Amino acid sequence: QVQLQQWGAGLLKPSETLSLTCAAYGGFFTGYYWTWIRQSPGKGLEWIGAIDHGGNTRHNPSLKSRLTISIDTSKNQFSLNLASVTAADTAVYYCGRGNIPDYWGQGTLVTVSS
Amino acid sequence: QSVLTQPPSASGTPGQRVTISCSGSSSNIGSNTVNWYQQLPGTAPKLLIYSSYQRPSGVPDRFSGSKSGTSASLAISGLQSEDEAVYHCAAWDDSLNAPVFGGGTKLTVL
Repeated sequence: QVQLQQWGAGLLKPSETLSLTCAAYGGFFTGYYWTWIRQSPGKGLEWIGAIDHGGNTRHNPSLKSRLTISIDTSKNQFSLNLASVTAADTAVYYCGRGNIPDYWGQGTLVTVSS
Repeated sequence: QSVLTQPPSASGTPGQRVTISCSGSSSNIGSNTVNWYQQLPGTAPKLLIYSSYQRPSGVPDRFSGSKSGTSASLAISGLQSEDEAVYHCAAWDDSLNAPVFGGGTKLTVL
C-alpha cells in the first residue's frame, strides 16, 4: 500500500520561502514523476510541478521563476521550495505520485499573512 | 480559470443516477485519458476513475467513466448520501506539456 506523508511550515510571512517535503512509503520510488499540486480556498486544483527519480523536473511556467523541486532518492523523499511568497500563494498543498497522481499526500494548509 | 470545464454543481436524490461532464480540447481529453477524483470535505482528492474508464480496487462499480471526443463524463448510479463531495477531472495536455484539471463539481445529495 502506497502512502505519501508530507510536512512543512503552515504559516509564512510575505517574501518568505515555502518549504514542503513529501515521503513515499510502499511501492517503487523509481519510474514515476512525483508531483506537487495546490488548491486555493474554494478553488480548483493547480499543478505546480514534478520531478522524476533522475532529477528531471517540470514546472508550471507561472511559478517557474520562484520554484525549486528536488529529490532525495536515498530517503524516497521529494521537496518543494517556493520563494517570495505572497497572499496569492495561500493554499492547501498536496504531493502526489505520477504526473496525474494516483496517490496523494494528506495536504498541508499554507497561509501567507503578515 | 481551469483548462477543463465542469459544471460547478450537480444534485440528485438517493438512488438516482447522476452524471458530471468534463469538457476539454484536442490537446488534452481529445488525445489522452482522463482521471476522476472524489474530494470529501477537508480531505485530499481520491482517485475514482483512471484511464477514462478504469476503477481502482475498492471503488464501487456504481462509479463509471466514459469519454467521447474532447469530453468525458463520470456517472454515479444508486446515489448515496456519502457520495456528497467535490468531483474533479484531470488529463494530460500535450500543448502545455502538463496535467490540467477541471474546476470541480460539487455534488449535493438532496
